[in-house]
Amino acid sequence: RKEVEQDPGPFNVPEGATVAFNCTYSNSASQSFFWYRQDCRKEPKLLMSVYSSGNEDGRFTAQLNRASQYISLLIRDSKLSDSATYLCVVTTTGTASKLTFGTGTRLQVTL
Amino acid sequence: GAVVSQHPSWVICKSGTSVKIECRSLDFQATTMFWYRQFPKQSLMLMATSNEGSKATYEQGVEKDKFLINHASLTLSTLTVTSAHPEDSSFYICSARPLDQYNEQFFGPGTRLTVL
Repeated sequence: RKEVEQDPGPFNVPEGATVAFNCTYSNSASQSFFWYRQDCRKEPKLLMSVYSSGNEDGRFTAQLNRASQYISLLIRDSKLSDSATYLCVVTTTGTASKLTFGTGTRLQVTL
Repeated sequence: GAVVSQHPSWVICKSGTSVKIECRSLDFQATTMFWYRQFPKQSLMLMATSNEGSKATYEQGVEKDKFLINHASLTLSTLTVTSAHPEDSSFYICSARPLDQYNEQFFGPGTRLTVL
């Protein structure tokens, strides 16, 4: 089983739609959680951190369920510019903490 | 702030040659840098953790004699792919972690290596 699992998609949605991505992780010792965005042939960029209490940044809302080891990302009012691959990332704490990436979910927003 | 550069951004080389990729943190110091590899339609896979002044820690399955890592200063780490073969063709990305931050990493723009 992969450490971080995501539905690879692609998710094809019209502009203005709401879309949700899910992610599960296998290591119960994981401490920090993130969503990254990666455009084609580019490096990943941090979209937002994910907290147990849930957090929102504009049109983006992230949720963490530690009991189920499940992370979600909700994008409201999708824009064409949201088209990208969204990577679920987890890490353990400590000086040797390493990011473990999911395979990513591809989103394509269309007119 | 928190800019990481990589050089070169892309390279094409013949099979059997060695290729050096540089990763620099431009406006912060990083005792730890990470090297990742990403094949098409796959996720980033950590290859090794590079620590300034000490030997790199390689992930399982990554040959340390093939992928030489040097982290000689707080702002520079290099990855040398020795005797490159076509199966080494990939997107290599580094990241750097600032001195006082355990969980945040800043990524370089990546280096696309094509081995003919």
